[in-house]
Amino acid sequence: GAGVSQSPSNKVTEKGKDVELRCDPISGHTALYWYRQRLGQGLEFLIYFQGNSAPDKSGLPSDRFSAERTGESVSTLTIQRTQQEDSAVYLCASSLGGYWNTGELFFGEGSRLTVL
Amino acid sequence: KQEVTQIPAALSVPEGENLVLNCSFTDSAIYNLQWFRQDPGKGLTSLLLIQSSQREQTSGRLNASLDKSSGRSTLYIAASQPGDSATYLCAGTQGGSEKLVFGKGTKLTVNP
Repeated sequence: GAGVSQSPSNKVTEKGKDVELRCDPISGHTALYWYRQRLGQGLEFLIYFQGNSAPDKSGLPSDRFSAERTGESVSTLTIQRTQQEDSAVYLCASSLGGYWNTGELFFGEGSRLTVL
Repeated sequence: KQEVTQIPAALSVPEGENLVLNCSFTDSAIYNLQWFRQDPGKGLTSLLLIQSSQREQTSGRLNASLDKSSGRSTLYIAASQPGDSATYLCAGTQGGSEKLVFGKGTKLTVNP
């Protein structure tokens, strides 16, 4: 596609439910990032995928959070047993070859998650 | 741990003014640096990327520079317009990592 695509754009869920967020990166981009942005806060790094290498999961806040990516395609971020503090905008970004190479990150519009 | 500070947190200027946004890193060993804008309720739009071998980048009315010795970057906006109103974020790598660390942004309002 022309840009990074994320779905759903908005998700309202009840506390304790599981949610799945999807990111479709720019075609050909090997690197994919997930960030979280809480209201009025900066962006928090969650996880980074580069090609077929083991992902950098060091930013995942708890074991309720997990993410998968098959090859260089779509990624899903799963939050189990959601809590109210999980409410945030979840942003996905991709880049060609990773930040150490060509560097430039392109972001999607985000998925706004509200946990009631 | 890399931390990024952006000053000022908010800025309101009349249309036509030239302005400077500042960004500083606790770890000056920055590999790449990128400036973004974020409109309310939207994702981030890339503005300028300064790669490791560069010190400056220009795009239209925007100019970004990076002083690696001090770990400071500035974004210069010339002849500001109401359409420039947005939050501007800078981000850089965290020492040898692919993680991009973000500042909290500067909220810019350009008044007609």
